[in-house]
Amino acid sequence: GESVGLHLPTLSVQEGDNSIINCAYSNSASDYFIWYKQESGKGPQFIIDIRSNMDKRQGQRVTVLLNKTVKHLSLQIAATQPGDSAVYFCAENLSGGSNYKLTFGKGTLLTVNP
Amino acid sequence: NAGVMQNPRHLVRRRGQEARLRCSPMKGHSHVYWYRQLPEEGLKFMVYLQKENIIDESGMPKERFSAEFPKEGPSILRIQQVVRGDSAAYFCASSPRGSSTYEQYFGPGTRLTVT
Repeated sequence: GESVGLHLPTLSVQEGDNSIINCAYSNSASDYFIWYKQESGKGPQFIIDIRSNMDKRQGQRVTVLLNKTVKHLSLQIAATQPGDSAVYFCAENLSGGSNYKLTFGKGTLLTVNP
Repeated sequence: NAGVMQNPRHLVRRRGQEARLRCSPMKGHSHVYWYRQLPEEGLKFMVYLQKENIIDESGMPKERFSAEFPKEGPSILRIQQVVRGDSAAYFCASSPRGSSTYEQYFGPGTRLTVT
């Protein structure tokens, strides 16, 4: 089965609210995780990444949390804006640190209502 | 610095025809990856190439699919005798030589429709 999966397929929030997108993974050997944003008709765009030796990493308006105990990953978007509307994918690296073969989850569609 | 370029953006083929998808990596990138995305699904790894070498093709079907990344020119994903099940979006990504950050930069994709 899929090693990476998402809890919710869709998420609808009001502009200005915070968004939380969740992701579960099953391979405890995964050592690198990435969140991508994909807008309609475009390729995935890198948002933020985190290595397995970290619990939290912050970027501009985004925070990724990693809970290795329960194999859970989340993406938090602060003050969500209409431009954040997209499908969000988590991806993991299953190659023992090698630079290839990302495994993607199915994605969560985030809709931001003005 | 131009991003990853893919062409064509849209490709329509009849069953049995050949499809050729091209990918030009970012300048200075020598690692190329191809992924396939079915509607409402995540991307699935197909193949990883470096210049003139296929490093990992474990995600690519053994029949009808092939990929290359020549010394000069773009990477090509070739699908022979296409079938309706090949209809999908095909994304190419590239990364810098010797990258320690794993970051892959994706192109806009080629949407293949088989009629």
